[in-house]
Amino acid sequence: NAGVTQTPKFQVLKTGQSMTLQCAQDMNHEYMSWYRQDPGMGLRLIHYSVGAGITDQGEVPNGYNVSRSTTEDFPLRLLSAAPSQTSVYFCASSPLSGGSASTDTQYFGPGTRLTVL
Amino acid sequence: DQQVKQNSPSLSVQEGRISILNCDYTNSMFDYFLWYKKYPAEGPTFLISISSIKDKNEDGRFTVFLNKSAKHLSLHIVPSQPGDSAVYFCAAMGGFKTIFGAGTRLFVKA
Repeated sequence: NAGVTQTPKFQVLKTGQSMTLQCAQDMNHEYMSWYRQDPGMGLRLIHYSVGAGITDQGEVPNGYNVSRSTTEDFPLRLLSAAPSQTSVYFCASSPLSGGSASTDTQYFGPGTRLTVL
Repeated sequence: DQQVKQNSPSLSVQEGRISILNCDYTNSMFDYFLWYKKYPAEGPTFLISISSIKDKNEDGRFTVFLNKSAKHLSLHIVPSQPGDSAVYFCAAMGGFKTIFGAGTRLFVKA
């Protein structure tokens, strides 16, 4: 049971390049989400999904796309990277409980540190 | 507009003493409040939560208090241990969205 895995661990991009951050979980969780963490700002929700084929926007969705074709995978796409997207990105998953994400079993991946030059 | 605020960037406590981490929120519609712990180069890990209909929840050395009239919650760690040194995030949940505070770095001195 690997939990939540994220690849790559580190990435450097040039402005305008595109890339996909990968996230996978093996716990059969319905809910998956992406956050970015910036100094002094905590974690901010980018996008989330409550199941295959269902995604929605979080606090800071601009510049990012997501899709959920399987329960296990929830990739985050940067279509045209900008220096403002330099951050640490965390993926998380949890089961659904009572119509929302579970309050005590949200698991985070180890993060991807992205630098955009 | 920060909906969840942790106004103390850092806190230093002696081993064995109580650590009190504070958090304020602005939205009365949050259903649950949570605390996460984060070590460097790792993802956050869940610590303890409290429903908006309760005022206290306890789990071992960790207790969370919720004061809805003041829109304030706090995490008490007793006794504090050096292994508790980490960044602690307060978070609030409403439906499918979780809003995090900026975090408080706790140093527990041996």
